[in-house]
This record gives sequence, C-alpha cells and structure tokens, in this order.
Amino acid sequence: GNSVTQMEGPVTLSEEAFLTINCTYTATGYPSLFWYVQYPGEGLQLLLKATKADDKGSNKGFEATYRKETTSFHLEKGSVQVSDSAVYFCALSDRSSYKLIFGSGTRLLVRP
Amino acid sequence: DAGVIQSPRHEVTEMGQEVTLRCKPISGHNSLFWYRQTMMRGLELLIYFNNNVPIDDSGMPEDRFSAKMPNASFSTLKIQPSEPRDSAVYFCASSFDSGDQPQHFGDGTRLSIL
Repeated sequence: GNSVTQMEGPVTLSEEAFLTINCTYTATGYPSLFWYVQYPGEGLQLLLKATKADDKGSNKGFEATYRKETTSFHLEKGSVQVSDSAVYFCALSDRSSYKLIFGSGTRLLVRP
Repeated sequence: DAGVIQSPRHEVTEMGQEVTLRCKPISGHNSLFWYRQTMMRGLELLIYFNNNVPIDDSGMPEDRFSAKMPNASFSTLKIQPSEPRDSAVYFCASSFDSGDQPQHFGDGTRLSIL
C-alpha cells in the first residue's frame, strides 16, 4: 500500500542554517506530493505541493522537488528563521480515493 | 475567504458524556475529512465524505464514534459514551474532488475527557 516515511525529529538548528527534512514515499501510480506545516495550537497548513515528476514546489523560501527515480520529496530551505519552528508533515494523495497519506511529522526547532 | 470552521475549540467533559464536534467546510468543497491527532499515534484519518456520503469509515475506532454530513456545509463527529482515551485534538479538513487538490484544515477541537 501507499506510505510516507519522514526523518525522525526533532531537528534543531541555529537561525540562518540550511534545512533539509527527508521524505520518501511508496505508491502505486503517480501521486501528488505535499508538505504541510503545523504551528503550535493550530491545524495543518499547506506549505507546498508538486503534482508530477520533476515538479518543484516552493513557498516562503521552502522548496521540494518530486523525484520519481528516488521516490523522494525532500524539504529544503536555505536560511531558517526562529518563526519556522513547527512540525512538518510530508503527504501523498491517493488519487483513487482522495485520501492523504501522511508521514509521522518532523519537529523543527530553530534557535536564535 | 473563510476557511474550515470547527467548534468548539476546546471541550472538557467527564467520561460517559456525549460529545459532539462540529465542522463547516469551505464553500464549494465536496470532500470532508475527520482526523484525530495524539502524541502516541500521530495523525489518524477517522472518516471521509464525498458529496455528503461516507466513503471510508475504516479509521473510526469503535461504535462509540459516529459521523454525519446532513448537507454540504455541515458535519458532526459524535462520541457516545466518551472515555479518557478519546482525549485528543480532532481536525476537520475539506477539499475539492481531486487527488491533485490539497486538503484545508480547521484549527481543531482539543478534547479532554476526565
């Protein structure tokens, strides 16, 4: 079945450091891929998405490229800020059922 | 534009009581999802509706849980009787009818069963 695997957290970085959060997936067919972010006390918010191989999603300085050959969708940001501290979820869509399959989430803590 | 609206934001009640959580999806969205989030189990899909019809309720923990969607603009998740292990944050999300479209989440209901 479809599944998403994310790197274990927490990830602790200093402000302005480079961020990578790894995400790999297993899926039949050609899913769409998403990154969501959850700030404390809030719901999940869509951060970026990619709908086909080699697409790059980007938003607020974050980027992720849909890599079909490595079944990966790693999240990157060149210079993190304290305000980026949150939990990040990688997800894929099951096109036949419209369900999202979520990874377990990675907590990011950025220190000043 | 209004997002997904959930109520109440917080609910504290004693075990054995009935709990009803409410959700108003984004206008025009025709898929609605109920999730539960806990530290131990992470984010779990409980049930989802398409065009007001329940499509997959395999995530509903047991018969104490039930969900309805009487029309396109309203859904409820009910727990009766509630138990302490039901304590969690419950999220509602909605989307257009397509696997390419993202789900939009509400801010959740934090439920505590004493």
